[in-house]
Amino acid sequence: EAQVTQNPRYLITVTGKKLTVTCSQNMNHEYMSWYRQDPGLGLRQIYYSMNVEVTDKGDVPEGYKVSRKEKRNFPLILESPSPNQTSLYFCASSLGRATIVYEQYFGPGTRLTVT
Amino acid sequence: DAKTTQPPSMDCAEGRAANLPCNHSTISGNEYVYWYRQIHSQGPQYIIHGLKNNETNEMASLIITEDRKSSTLILPHATLRDTAVYYCIVPGSLNAGKSTFGDGTTLTVKP
Repeated sequence: EAQVTQNPRYLITVTGKKLTVTCSQNMNHEYMSWYRQDPGLGLRQIYYSMNVEVTDKGDVPEGYKVSRKEKRNFPLILESPSPNQTSLYFCASSLGRATIVYEQYFGPGTRLTVT
Repeated sequence: DAKTTQPPSMDCAEGRAANLPCNHSTISGNEYVYWYRQIHSQGPQYIIHGLKNNETNEMASLIITEDRKSSTLILPHATLRDTAVYYCIVPGSLNAGKSTFGDGTTLTVKP
C-alpha cells in the first residue's frame, strides 16, 4: 500500500532532550516536506526537500533540522525542544519534478508535547 | 505562492451540493490550483487540481474561472463524512517546494 509513515505517532518529552521524528514514503517520491499545525494557526511548512541532499526552509524552520540522505526518508530533528514546539506534525511527499510539485500525500501525524 | 482567500466557514445540508469558493487573483499563468481537505486532526487529503479547464474526479469537481482568478470546489452530494476543513493552495512556480495552506474553509454538513 502506498503510504507515508511517521514515527512515533505520539511523544511526550522534556525541554532540551533531543528527539527525531521519522518520516518514510514508499512511493519513490522526490519531494518531501514537514508541516506543523497549531490551533488557530493552520498548517505551516517547516522544511522541504525537492530531492536527495537538497533541502530548503519553509515558513517556520527555527529550532528544527532535517536531512535527506536517501529518497524514502526525511527525518525531522529537534536538537533542543522547547514547549513552543508542542504541536501536531505532518510529513508529506509528492512526485515533484524539477520546479513542479504535484499533489502531496500526507502521513497520519505526530502529536508532540514538550514539557 | 499566489495568495488564496477562502471564507472561514460554510454549512451545507446533507445530500445537497457544497460549493466552496477560493480567490487567487495573483495567480500566474502556469500555476496550478490544488484542493485538499483535512478531517479532524488527520493528515490532509488531496482532492483535485487544475490549471485552466474544469476538472472532475470521483471526489469532486473543480471550476476555474476564465481569468483564473478564482475557483470553486464542488462536492455534488455532500455527506456527513465530508465535514472537514478544505484548503485551496497555489504552489508558486518559481519556488514550487514552498506550500502555504492558509486557514481554509471549515465545511459543516448538517443532516
